[in-house]
Amino acid sequence: RKEVEQDPGPFNVPEGATVAFNCTYSNSASQSFFWYRQDCRKEPKLLMSVYSSGNEDGRFTAQLNRASQYISLLIRDSKLSDSATYLCVVNIPGLGKLIFGTGTRLQVFP
Amino acid sequence: GAGVSQSPRYKVAKRGQDVALRCDPISGHVSLFWYQQALGQGPEFLTYFQNEAQLDKSGLPSDRFFAERPEGSVSTLKIQRTQQEDSAVYLCASSLRVDSFYEQYFGPGTRLTVT
Repeated sequence: RKEVEQDPGPFNVPEGATVAFNCTYSNSASQSFFWYRQDCRKEPKLLMSVYSSGNEDGRFTAQLNRASQYISLLIRDSKLSDSATYLCVVNIPGLGKLIFGTGTRLQVFP
Repeated sequence: GAGVSQSPRYKVAKRGQDVALRCDPISGHVSLFWYQQALGQGPEFLTYFQNEAQLDKSGLPSDRFFAERPEGSVSTLKIQRTQQEDSAVYLCASSLRVDSFYEQYFGPGTRLTVT
């Protein structure tokens, strides 16, 4: 079983739609959680960190459920520019490396 | 300021050839990471440096892979006797600190194709 699992998609949604991505992780010792965004043939870039209390950044809301080892990302009012792959990422204490999911591809159409 | 840079951006190698991939991290960043990203997959960890010390090389797929960061800044990932399965994008990332809460900044990657 992969350490971080995501639905690869693609999710095809119209502009203005709300879309949610989910991710599960297997290591209960995981402590830091992130969503990265990766555009086609580009490097990953940090979208937002995920905190236990949940956090929001504009149209983006991230939530963490430690008991279920589950992370989510909600995008409201989707824009064409949101089209990208969204990578769920975890970090285990004491290890510098990030553990990435395979990514969920989002395509927003007009 | 300048971000993480990598060179070459593209490399085509014949099977059996040796290649060297370079990473210039953000100035002052202590930590440097190498990841391998195959098509349709997320990046997979290869190795990690804190300054010049290689603290974790558990992700290197075989002893054909070797990385160094001799002066704690620029790093080189070397792959000997390349195989077709080595074809991937090799991403370098740097971070200001070791702590997991510090963001890792990625370079544009080197796309390696082994023919």
